[in-house]
Amino acid sequence: GAGVSQSPRYKVAKRGQDVALRCDPISGHVSLFWYQQALGQGPEFLTYFQNEAQLDKSGLPSDRFFAERPEGSVSTLKIQRTQQEDSAVYLCASSPGLAANEQFFGPGTRLTVL
Amino acid sequence: AQTVTQSQPEMSVQEAETVTLSCTYDTSESDYYLFWYKQPPSRQMILVIRQEAYKQQNATENRFSVNFQKAAKSFSLKISDSQLGDAAMYFCAYKSRGAQKLVFGQGTRLTINP
Repeated sequence: GAGVSQSPRYKVAKRGQDVALRCDPISGHVSLFWYQQALGQGPEFLTYFQNEAQLDKSGLPSDRFFAERPEGSVSTLKIQRTQQEDSAVYLCASSPGLAANEQFFGPGTRLTVL
Repeated sequence: AQTVTQSQPEMSVQEAETVTLSCTYDTSESDYYLFWYKQPPSRQMILVIRQEAYKQQNATENRFSVNFQKAAKSFSLKISDSQLGDAAMYFCAYKSRGAQKLVFGQGTRLTINP
């Protein structure tokens, strides 16, 4: 079956532009996660959804970052007024349910802010 | 807050030999999960092996095994009979039983020499 997909795979933005990153989780997966991975670092948690409810957004670095999952499937991570420090790979992961511990990751979107 | 530390930024091993990657973590919890993820250059993170803290027996998945030392808060990954396809970034990760997010270490880049 299809895994987690993300689009675009690469995004170049000028400083100050808004960007939207899309995640298509594995069909039927209840949980969805966003992580930010800076160059040469491990992923860092941004936010978590259970179906359409955003239950944890403690990792979002500023109010310029916003995520949604309106119908409990596809999710979008939006970054407003991008800054150079936002340059990173943004990883999306999904998981079948609350008790499941394995997260299935997408290929990521590499965002470069010039 | 929990932290995960991987003290080896890079490791290399000859093909067919055995290599051990180190991971330590800090937590005050007694019930949690530990994971090793592999991230090849294509960036898609893949679960290699997981360990539940309440299980004393070390997890094994084919050529991959762990040495879980709960008292020492150590969770190392042993790769036997290393293959060229094992070359990747390896991340150690922690998950509380009561939480959903993963906390990652900084990663170890593993090179396999033919």
